Amino acid sequence: AQSVTQPDIHITVSEGASLELRCNYSYGATPYLFWYVQSPGQGLQLLLKYFSGDTLVQGIKGFEAEFKRSQSSFNLRKPSVHWSDAAEYFCAVERGSGGGADGLTFGKGTHLIIQP
Amino acid sequence: NAGVMQNPRHLVRRRGQEARLRCSPMKGHSHVYWYRQLPEEGLKFMVYLQKENIIDESGMPKERFSAEFPKEGPSILRIQQVVRGDSAAYFCASSPTSIDEQFFGPGTRLTVL
Repeated sequence: AQSVTQPDIHITVSEGASLELRCNYSYGATPYLFWYVQSPGQGLQLLLKYFSGDTLVQGIKGFEAEFKRSQSSFNLRKPSVHWSDAAEYFCAVERGSGGGADGLTFGKGTHLIIQP
Repeated sequence: NAGVMQNPRHLVRRRGQEARLRCSPMKGHSHVYWYRQLPEEGLKFMVYLQKENIIDESGMPKERFSAEFPKEGPSILRIQQVVRGDSAAYFCASSPTSIDEQFFGPGTRLTVL
């Protein structure tokens, strides 16, 4: 079965510093991968997605992620964080056969804290 | 184009009552997904529906939970005889096709007293 691991429950970063959030997945085929962000009391917003092609994916709000098949990873990065980036970040993989037909399997999330 | 709408945003029920959660997908979206988020946890897939059809309900508890997406109107997640363990945030997502990103609603936070 598919699974997603986000090894860091909490991460604290100073404003203006770079950020990397880790995500490892377990999946038998080429996965469809996603990063979502959730602000307190809100729904989820898609930051970026990887379906195929270029392994470096650009998203909204200055985020990017790199798909590394050899490491089964899809880490999220941002060169310089802003206080407004403080939120919960979820990595997800689609559950089905690669056609995107099913729902998503989510990691448990990483809580990002921004220090002034 | 309005986003995915869910109502109510907050719902309080006593044990044994029924909870009905509604989800109106984005215009033009015919694929609806329901997820449950427990405190300090990620989202867990519950069910995937298309208009009038349940495609995958492998994440739904076998008892007390049901979902529908009628030809007209919103998708409904129904929980009968709620228990305290049902307290969670329930999120609905929609997509225009089966191979596309999912857009999430703001969620319904269910509290069972």
